[in-house]
Amino acid sequence: AQTVTQSQPEMSVQEAETVTLSCTYDTSESDYYLFWYKQPPSRQMILVIRQEAYKQQNATENRFSVNFQKAAKSFSLKISDSQLGDAAMYFCAYDDSGGGADGLTFGKGTHLIIQP
Amino acid sequence: DARVTQTPRDKVTEMGQEVTMRCQPILGHNTVFWYRQTMMQGLELLAYFRNRAPLDDSGMPKDRFSAEMPDATLATLKIQPSEPRDSAVYFCASGLGTSGRMGETQYFGPGTRLLVL
Repeated sequence: AQTVTQSQPEMSVQEAETVTLSCTYDTSESDYYLFWYKQPPSRQMILVIRQEAYKQQNATENRFSVNFQKAAKSFSLKISDSQLGDAAMYFCAYDDSGGGADGLTFGKGTHLIIQP
Repeated sequence: DARVTQTPRDKVTEMGQEVTMRCQPILGHNTVFWYRQTMMQGLELLAYFRNRAPLDDSGMPKDRFSAEMPDATLATLKIQPSEPRDSAVYFCASGLGTSGRMGETQYFGPGTRLLVL
């Protein structure tokens, strides 16, 4: 079974600074998808960014970018110019692309604190 | 602005009572997932449907949980009888999947926070 590990239970960063959240995963598949979701106190799960494993180029969405290292099975999220609204729980998630997909496997999450 | 809706947003009930949670997926999405979030276990997949057919419910306690899709615009998750250990936030998510390639982006509803006393 696939596993997703987020080794940082909590991270803190000054407003306007850059922060990187770590995620590693374990899989025997070669084709899969990786996601970062944000969960603010409202508890809504919001998609931040999506990466397809067969694409070598790292995904970016405005201030959010990933560092995808397939061989190392690492998928970190970089948030540039941190804003107060970025404060939330961040979850890394994995999805098998095969026909027997069974939904997302989530990490335990990283609580991101933004210091004004 | 298409979004997944869930009702109720919060539910407090007593042990032994039946609980029904409802989800309306984004119009046109053909895949619906149910997840449960607790402090101890994190986010876990309970069940999912594609084109209204149940594909996997292995994450769901079979004796008390049931999930259905009466039509393409409604998914339900029922607990009968409810127990205190069922207290959690239950999320519904929907996506547009194809038969040959999964990994579609899942869009989540706001969740139902359930407290069983």
